[in-house]
Amino acid sequence: TQLLEQSPQFLSIQEGENLTVYCNSSSVFSSLQWYRQEPGEGPVLLVTVVTGGEVKKLKRLTFQFGDARKDSSLHITAAQPGDTGLYLCAGESSGTASKLTFGTGTRLQVTL
Amino acid sequence: SAVISQKPSRDICQRGTSLTIQCQVDSQVTMMFWYRQQPGQSLTLIATANQGSEATYESGFVIDKFPISRPNLTFSTLTVSNMSPEDSSIYLCSVSQVVRETQYFGPGTRLLVL
Repeated sequence: TQLLEQSPQFLSIQEGENLTVYCNSSSVFSSLQWYRQEPGEGPVLLVTVVTGGEVKKLKRLTFQFGDARKDSSLHITAAQPGDTGLYLCAGESSGTASKLTFGTGTRLQVTL
Repeated sequence: SAVISQKPSRDICQRGTSLTIQCQVDSQVTMMFWYRQQPGQSLTLIATANQGSEATYESGFVIDKFPISRPNLTFSTLTVSNMSPEDSSIYLCSVSQVVRETQYFGPGTRLLVL
């Protein structure tokens, strides 16, 4: 069974602080996606990383895929209350026809 | 991106009963999936809904408990049968328009079983 462990599980920070969320596995993934889920809604895709070592930026969010394609990180600069939510990484393995394995999740709260 | 709706959005059910959840997409999609998200936890894939054939279930999920239909490329249903309080979860459908492409999620159905 493939497992994706996220750390930390919970994070409560003040507006303006920086943070990093980690997503680690012993398995290799052909791609890795990051989602954010807000209460009462389904997960919304933030980014997909495909190439080992790839770095993608989305405004204040920076995503990195590990060289070996087993891990990823999400860094948020100058967090805002609107960043509050559940962050989920999800890995897709080759040959699994779009099936995703979701990480354990990181719940982020950003306060004023 | 596809627009996905689910019905009902939430329900409270008595143990031993069954509930059918509908997932409707505004465009034809290749892949449709059903997930369960237990309170405070991440998503677990229940099954892949296959058009015109039986769904493909993940380990720990069986057709008798979670029968799935997919009559066409825009619609699927998931039934939670003979419910118990342990079935209280959010049930989410997701779709991808092309195999191995981005998955888009519906808003979820919040189920509470008493």
